[in-house]
Amino acid sequence: EAGVAQSPRYKIIEKRQSVAFWCNPISGHATLYWYQQILGQGPKLLIQFQNNGVVDDSQLPKDRFSAERLKGVDSTLKIQPAKLEDSAVYLCASSLVMRSGNTIYFGEGSWLTVV
Amino acid sequence: AQTVTQSQPEMSVQEAETVTLSCTYDTSESDYYLFWYKQPPSRQMILVIRQEAYKQQNATENRFSVNFQKAAKSFSLKISDSQLGDAAMYFCAYAGGTSYGKLTFGQGTILTVHP
Repeated sequence: EAGVAQSPRYKIIEKRQSVAFWCNPISGHATLYWYQQILGQGPKLLIQFQNNGVVDDSQLPKDRFSAERLKGVDSTLKIQPAKLEDSAVYLCASSLVMRSGNTIYFGEGSWLTVV
Repeated sequence: AQTVTQSQPEMSVQEAETVTLSCTYDTSESDYYLFWYKQPPSRQMILVIRQEAYKQQNATENRFSVNFQKAAKSFSLKISDSQLGDAAMYFCAYAGGTSYGKLTFGQGTILTVHP
């Protein structure tokens, strides 16, 4: 079974530029998460989708971050304009159902460096 | 809001020995789940073990076991017969029964295994 796929794996951009990350969840997984992990910290949820609807985006900085999950499968996370503090690993995760206790599978992450 | 605290930034253990990683959490919910995730340098989060709050019996997975103290809100991970491949960052995580699967992570503990 293929895991959660993310691309690009690494990206270096200058501040005020834009960047987009792509995620393809495990086939059949209805729930998709984007987490931000700053170096030395635990991941923090940015946004959660159930199919193509947003369940929780309370910690998404909406002035610069946006995310979509068209057709309820792949998802894209965009940052525009980027700030130095956005340097982090962006982890995509998916689960079969939206229920606490259910196994959540993570991708290998997209590493962003803003200079 | 729920919080997860890992008070040990770093731990080390000799190969074949036993090590315990600590985690405390704060919640007002009665229905929740606790997890330990392993994050190797590749950054992919791998589920190690899961505990359901309503189950009194501590979860075990081969060499990994937990000590779940519900009243004290403590959830420690014991790794027996440590192996070099156990070296990684370990995160304690919480998911409330009404959080639709959203994980709240601790700050992480770096585990070093000495040969």
